[in-house]
Amino acid sequence: DTAVSQTPKYLVTQMGNDKSIKCEQNLGHDTMYWYKQDSKKFLKIMFSYNNKELIINETVPNRFSPKSPDKAHLNLHINSLELGDSAVYFCASSQDPPNRGVYGNEQFFGPGTRLTVL
Amino acid sequence: TQLLEQSPQFLSIQEGENLTVYCNSSSVFSSLQWYRQEPGEGPVLLVTVVTGGEVKKLKRLTFQFGDARKDSSLHITAAQTGDTGLYLCAGHGSSNTGKLIFGQGTTLQVKP
Repeated sequence: DTAVSQTPKYLVTQMGNDKSIKCEQNLGHDTMYWYKQDSKKFLKIMFSYNNKELIINETVPNRFSPKSPDKAHLNLHINSLELGDSAVYFCASSQDPPNRGVYGNEQFFGPGTRLTVL
Repeated sequence: TQLLEQSPQFLSIQEGENLTVYCNSSSVFSSLQWYRQEPGEGPVLLVTVVTGGEVKKLKRLTFQFGDARKDSSLHITAAQTGDTGLYLCAGHGSSNTGKLIFGQGTTLQVKP
């Protein structure tokens, strides 16, 4: 009964390949996120969707494309992978979007996907 | 650009010692959260502080939000080996999206 799950847990691939990471939450939340954590453990938001609508789109290369088929799923597709894309990618969800007051936007994180680009 | 700076970045102490982790910014945040992340897992929310000067306690952990809502601290009393992990502060920014802005984290190692 994992709240936020991601697949795969580990992803090792060659430069130039295209890969996808999947995320599912069973908490009934309306908002989902993708974060990138670099080798120095710095966590930075990439995208956020609320009710399948994109609400946060940070300065991320357009090789990264999120897709939200429904409220419970937010997938991340990465084209033409580069060495600098190597990181841990976290999916998260919250009941409300982050700009709707203080409470109700506690974020629940998945276990992360460690992407290694060779 | 709003930034949160955490200090220290690394802390290695003996079990039973006390410690304080700081999270500072030149910007005002509407609220601030503290997360704990264990190796191979995602961050888990510990607390949210909202009001300037607010103090919250979670067993041996004490969290404080600065009066001006620009800084916060996490104090752990009598640290245990189970407290080992990465501690992250995160603030809700002033942008219209309210996105969370994370500090760079404090890695705590508590030795037996």
